[in-house]
Amino acid sequence: QSALTQPPSASGSPGQSVTISCTGTSSDVGGYNYVSWYQQHPGKAPKLMIYEVSKRPSGVPDRFSGSKSGNTASLTVSGLQAEDEADYYCSSYAGSNNFVFGTGTKVTVL
Amino acid sequence: QLQLQESGPGLVKPSETLSLTCTVSGGSISSSSYYWGWIRQPPGKGLEWIGSIYYSGSTYYNPSLKSRVTISVDTSKNQFSLKLSSVTAADTAVYYCARHDWVYSAFDIWGQGTMVTVSS
Repeated sequence: QSALTQPPSASGSPGQSVTISCTGTSSDVGGYNYVSWYQQHPGKAPKLMIYEVSKRPSGVPDRFSGSKSGNTASLTVSGLQAEDEADYYCSSYAGSNNFVFGTGTKVTVL
Repeated sequence: QLQLQESGPGLVKPSETLSLTCTVSGGSISSSSYYWGWIRQPPGKGLEWIGSIYYSGSTYYNPSLKSRVTISVDTSKNQFSLKLSSVTAADTAVYYCARHDWVYSAFDIWGQGTMVTVSS
């Protein structure tokens, strides 16, 4: 299976919004509502931010939101804060008990 | 709260077998609805799912690694393990263990990760 496609980088000023895309196929992103998003700070383990396309685990700020249209999922971070600067990865169920991650996006807070 | 901790050699020789263990504390590995997974991340690169196991021993593997991967579970020790055979330099990575919420298809709790280098 191929990794889901994400833009290498995205940026925004504090207080602004940034949206990251995650493009797959009808066999993964487009076929299931099982897209999740992870935040990873340098040298740290990933942290689950969004699951099932748009649901937030307890403790994740509502500044983080997710959506999906067709074969592309998106993560939006509103009201950017300095601590949001990190790498973000999407993931999707890909059928037949298989899972695939995205290529990752580095978010920079200007 | 639930915590996961990886352990194992940090250096493995080419063609040998990489072996890692994940110890689960603060909760039972026999919880229903949860699988337990391994994910890796080569230096400077993205995440790759390796495979996941249920406490009963049911396993699912990444098709691209399936021929070299074995994941097992020891419920008496609250641990699960990864074996990756015939390693090459391409298997050099940080290896994470994580709780895999099968219902939501998400990895919701992660270990801190352990770096494994394949080199002679």
